[in-house]
Order: sequence, then structure tokens, then C-alpha cells
Amino acid sequence: ETGVTQTPRHLVMGMTNKKSLKCEQHLGHNAMYWYKQSAKKPLELMFVYSLEERVENNSVPSRFSPECPNSSHLFLHLHTLQPEDSALYLCASSQGSGYGYTFGSGTRLTVV
Amino acid sequence: DQQVKQNSPSLSVQEGRISILNCDYTNSMFDYFLWYKKYPAEGPTFLISISSIKDKNEDGRFTVFLNKSAKHLSLHIVPSQPGDSAVYFCAARAASGGSYIPTFGRGTSLIVHP
Repeated sequence: ETGVTQTPRHLVMGMTNKKSLKCEQHLGHNAMYWYKQSAKKPLELMFVYSLEERVENNSVPSRFSPECPNSSHLFLHLHTLQPEDSALYLCASSQGSGYGYTFGSGTRLTVV
Repeated sequence: DQQVKQNSPSLSVQEGRISILNCDYTNSMFDYFLWYKKYPAEGPTFLISISSIKDKNEDGRFTVFLNKSAKHLSLHIVPSQPGDSAVYFCAARAASGGSYIPTFGRGTSLIVHP
């Protein structure tokens, strides 16, 4: 498989559930990102990992917890989410900081 | 405060005509600008970019124009095709500070009618 793969593609969860989003890249990139896309809003950068270390956390609520076990995998652990967290969550990777971005297809999350 | 603004949420164009998507930015440190295209159920894909040392970059039917004094860029698609119907994101980044992470706009939804 090539590119950036995100699973699941769709997720519906209750506010008390715990779930995880997964991202995998097969491009040999050394940086990975989580973005949130809500309707009528810009793509919001959530987390940046460079060489498996978190280098940026844009004031994201603690109910979102990222994990980067190696340079090819990135997770977003979710717990006690709110309905306003419903959005498309996009993973991206790049070689170097922000250069040559490649996005995954996203996970459409609905919190009920 | 939004540093990259796409003030038109949607644009409708007839097939064969020109589509012009606009983008304004506020940060004078931005020196590289990108356009991404996004189809439903897919992630954004890179379309075209321009460096601040240029005022025009062309790739086939797609041309990006940069007006640094106005802090404005535009993407021209000519001729427009129904397959161009997608959401187009403008993004900008600044090399200073060592971070090349782009800042994105809200996107403009382009619909090209046959």
C-alpha cells in the first residue's frame, strides 16, 4: 500500500466512548500531522510529530490524545468527546517540516 | 484571527468558462503559497504552488497569480471542466522560524456545470 492511509473511514461514537483513529504512511516521511476540518472553517492543525516527537500542540483539549509509536504510524485517541467535536479528521505526512504534504482521506467522526 | 482568508465559500461556473478562486492573507512573512484540491470522501491533494519571488505560475489549465502588495493570490482554471468540481484550499507558509507548516483557508467549493 502506498500513500497515507486512515482508518476507520467513518466513526460514530457516544460521548462516553473511547475510540482511536489510526494513520499509516508508506512514503518514508519523517513528520506527521493531525488536522480537524469542520464545516465552514479552515483546516485546523491539531498536532505535529517530527521524528516521533510531538513538536506542536495547538491548544487542543485533553480529550484528544495523540500517539506516534514510530515514523510510519500516528494515532489519535478519543475519549469523552462532545458533539461539537464531530468533524473530518485528516492525517498528513511530510518529509521535513511542512514540505511536500500528503494527506490521507480522513475519518468522518460523528459524536452522538 | 484568520491569516489566510477565502471569502467566497462557493463558486458556480459553466463548463468551458474560466474559474477564478481568490485568497487573501494577512501575514507579510508568508513566502510560499499553495493550492490544494479536495474531492468528497478524499483528502486534499496538492495542485499548484507559487513562491513569493514570482507573480505567476502556470501548470496546464491552472495558473496562480500572486500580488504581494495586495497580499492576494488567485487560482485561474481555464477552461473549467465538470471534473474540476471540488473544494479548493488556499494555504500559505513562512520560512522564518524554521517551520514550514502551512496555514490553510476555509476553502471554496467550485461547481462546474456541464
